[in-house]
Amino acid sequence: GAGVSQSPSNKVTEKGKDVELRCDPISGHTALYWYRQSLGQGLEFLIYFQGNSAPDKSGLPSDRFSAERTGGSVSTLTIQRTQQEDSAVYLCASSPRQGHTGELFFGEGSRLTVL
Amino acid sequence: AQSVTQPDIHITVSEGASLELRCNYSYGATPYLFWYVQSPGQGLQLLLKYFSGDTLVQGIKGFEAEFKRSQSSFNLRKPSVHWSDAAEYFCAVGSSTGYSTLTFGKGTMLLVSP
Repeated sequence: GAGVSQSPSNKVTEKGKDVELRCDPISGHTALYWYRQSLGQGLEFLIYFQGNSAPDKSGLPSDRFSAERTGGSVSTLTIQRTQQEDSAVYLCASSPRQGHTGELFFGEGSRLTVL
Repeated sequence: AQSVTQPDIHITVSEGASLELRCNYSYGATPYLFWYVQSPGQGLQLLLKYFSGDTLVQGIKGFEAEFKRSQSSFNLRKPSVHWSDAAEYFCAVGSSTGYSTLTFGKGTMLLVSP
């Protein structure tokens, strides 16, 4: 597709289970970002991938969160042993720019509900 | 560290009335500034951006924003609001020195009354 694609769009899981969220960026975009959007909290930066460089993981809230990007394209965000406070919308974005911040193109998000 | 403040959580405007959404940022150098809009169940769409040059920038859907360095502000405006403008609006700041993520405000929810 032409835009950033995320799956699943909705995920309901039980506390303690692991979940994987997938992001397929716009073709040719070298930068990929994950943000978390919680009610009333705006967008919280989680992790950033740029080409083959080591990812910027400075926003990951705990070691239960991890992400990888295979082949410089698709990315998977994994949350282990989910907690109720992990409930949020997880947004992926990509960007064609290297280096400084440019426009981010967002997917529609994956809504995670932890029961 | 960079930060963004959107002081209004909710704003209600009558259809046809003018709109101004406030955004203040904290950043040590010249920032890159953005406004995004998010409709229910949708991702974020860029409305406009400021990198340099003219401090009044025009965006899509009839929106504009003005960068005021002295006030560290980047307020979003629209002269006449339409019911379809009801959405959540996010201001964001990015670095002009190479750090490559955007810092977002907590958003302002715009409600449009008939």
